Amino acid sequence: KAGVTQTPRYLIKTRGQQVTLSCSPISGHRSVSWYQQTPGQGLQFLFEYFSETQRNKGNFPGRFSGRQFSNSRSEMNVSTLELGDSALYLCASSLGGISSYNEQFFGPGTRLTVL
Amino acid sequence: QKEVEQNSGPLSVPEGAIASLNCTYSDRGSQSFFWYRQYSGKSPELIMSIYSNGDKEDGRFTAQLNKASQYVSLLIRDSQPSDSATYLCAASGGSYIPTFGRGTSLIVHP
Repeated sequence: KAGVTQTPRYLIKTRGQQVTLSCSPISGHRSVSWYQQTPGQGLQFLFEYFSETQRNKGNFPGRFSGRQFSNSRSEMNVSTLELGDSALYLCASSLGGISSYNEQFFGPGTRLTVL
Repeated sequence: QKEVEQNSGPLSVPEGAIASLNCTYSDRGSQSFFWYRQYSGKSPELIMSIYSNGDKEDGRFTAQLNKASQYVSLLIRDSQPSDSATYLCAASGGSYIPTFGRGTSLIVHP
């Protein structure tokens, strides 16, 4: 069974630009969560989408947004990029039932560098 | 504020030894606990899930959970250099979004 895929794998942008990242979950998984990982802050939760609805949201500014399509694929957008947005952006998919037993499986990540 | 605490390490063990990784969590409502392995430059890979008190074994890995002490551990038997990585502990409760620790760096030296 194919795993979680993320595109692009690497991205270089300049301050003020915007970026869109894409994630395709494991087939049959309906929940997609996005995380930002930096050496200083570790893994930080951005938001979670389930059935095209944002179900949970982390503590990030409104410049970070996302959406989910009917096929469960998800996109994440960051507008007005700042140097501090340089990070590894990870997508994780899970079955998505309302249960803490849901296991999350991560994609390979998108490495974003903001110059 | 839900927190998951891990010693950042590095934890250095010789090849063939048992590596013991520990994690504590603050939310008593946490019901599920996960261990992920993350190699440098790669994404986290789920290696163990544990939901009830006691031990759960999978190959060379044993996860241990003590809810009364709010403590989770991961034992790696017969450690190999390929086990050298950062190990992330995560706890999930009512919100079903796991809270991750910052990870423990493990170095297995030949």
